[in-house]
Amino acid sequence: DSGVTQTPKHLITATGQRVTLRCSPRSGDLSVYWYQQSLDQGLQFLIQYYNGEERAKGNILERFSAQQFPDLHSELNLSSLELGDSALYFCASSVDPKGQETQYFGPGTRLLVL
Amino acid sequence: AQTVTQSQPEMSVQEAETVTLSCTYDTSESDYYLFWYKQPPSRQMILVIRQEAYKQQNATENRFSVNFQKAAKSFSLKISDSQLGDAAMYFCAYRSAGRMDSNYQLIWGAGTKLIIKP
Repeated sequence: DSGVTQTPKHLITATGQRVTLRCSPRSGDLSVYWYQQSLDQGLQFLIQYYNGEERAKGNILERFSAQQFPDLHSELNLSSLELGDSALYFCASSVDPKGQETQYFGPGTRLLVL
Repeated sequence: AQTVTQSQPEMSVQEAETVTLSCTYDTSESDYYLFWYKQPPSRQMILVIRQEAYKQQNATENRFSVNFQKAAKSFSLKISDSQLGDAAMYFCAYRSAGRMDSNYQLIWGAGTKLIIKP
């Protein structure tokens, strides 16, 4: 158990819908990272937050957004869902913004868009 | 931009034997970190081992060790005394370090599926 929690574990929804994925980092970790793992594109970095502020953006679609709250949990919002958004979404956390500490991963949320 | 390449989509090894998974990377940076993560069928992403580029000594964690060749930009993982529980996808990952304006995301290889034969 990495100490990073993600809910829900599974999510099935329809095209055009909106979903919210939640992540709680390890105790003491201030940085949260979101990654997408899909069959055709492998693992891709989406976005990073540090202590409530956006730190870096990767290959995140405009239909996707995220935020980190004062209690440090983070939410990834996916809207206008398409079939191709079906993937495993990971949250990872580390203690510092520079990533000098290892990123520890949550169990992931498996999203299926029908 | 940095890239990570794992040229072996699948490897198999007999239980109790030793196997080496390959990883090469491309970067113009001198300061970075390299990782091996394991993803078993549960899909959980588990850290196996980490290597700091400034360290010449190869990292080891019990049965897992790496061969880090900085000049060759090579970072292979050796698993000794393979066990059935080692069966998983193994991902090599790279991360920049040391510059405040760097993006500290992990950059991933495509993964190697490791099969353990009983």
